[in-house]
Amino acid sequence: QSALTQPRSVSGSPGQSVTISCTGTSSDVGGYNYVSWYQQHPGKAPKLMIYDVSKRPSGVPDRFSGSKSGNTASLTISGLQAEDEADYYCCSYAGSYTLNVVFGGGTKLTVL
Amino acid sequence: EVQLVESGGGLVKPGRSLRLSCTASGFTFGDYAMSWFRQAPGKGLEWVGFIRSKAYGGTTEYAASVKGRFTISRDDSKSIAYLQMNSLKTEDTAVYYCTRVSSSGWHFDYWGQGTLVTVSS
Repeated sequence: QSALTQPRSVSGSPGQSVTISCTGTSSDVGGYNYVSWYQQHPGKAPKLMIYDVSKRPSGVPDRFSGSKSGNTASLTISGLQAEDEADYYCCSYAGSYTLNVVFGGGTKLTVL
Repeated sequence: EVQLVESGGGLVKPGRSLRLSCTASGFTFGDYAMSWFRQAPGKGLEWVGFIRSKAYGGTTEYAASVKGRFTISRDDSKSIAYLQMNSLKTEDTAVYYCTRVSSSGWHFDYWGQGTLVTVSS
């Protein structure tokens, strides 16, 4: 069982928007603005898509956006494209005591 | 261009040891903390541990699942991070990824391609 809770799957048609949620606790997601999101295509390494809740690394399309409310972070992908079909993982820093990093179980995005 | 290349994976019997290497290029290796992750077949990502840069003491932290069995080290002169895995268990079977820890926060901005470790008798 993962420390952060994500839906197992979401889907959307090309051009639509989808949102993936990531629920933690006040000890991780709610306690720090260190939520990041990673995209992973089958057989490939994960790729950083969002960091510090809502920042995008250079080269990531602005169709990808992140937000947080309380203990839940969200990744929104607008204008869905076929190449967005992948697994998405959220990640949060979980405090200096444990110096731990926790992940969600991953969400499979299907572009219909 | 930042590149991370893992090596050293393979098939190993339970109870044995294995050392993975992560060779970095394209950035000043010594300035960054480095981290290891793993992904069991068909499963999600799991943080294994990380090593700080020498500027921050070069100290290490580990996930509870590997603490006491795994050791992360670094050779800044060669731009290599290591993951020494001892007393391996079948549940350690996974693809192991090396990552760079961003200098600006708790995220992992570059990942290697991964190396598969299979623990089986």
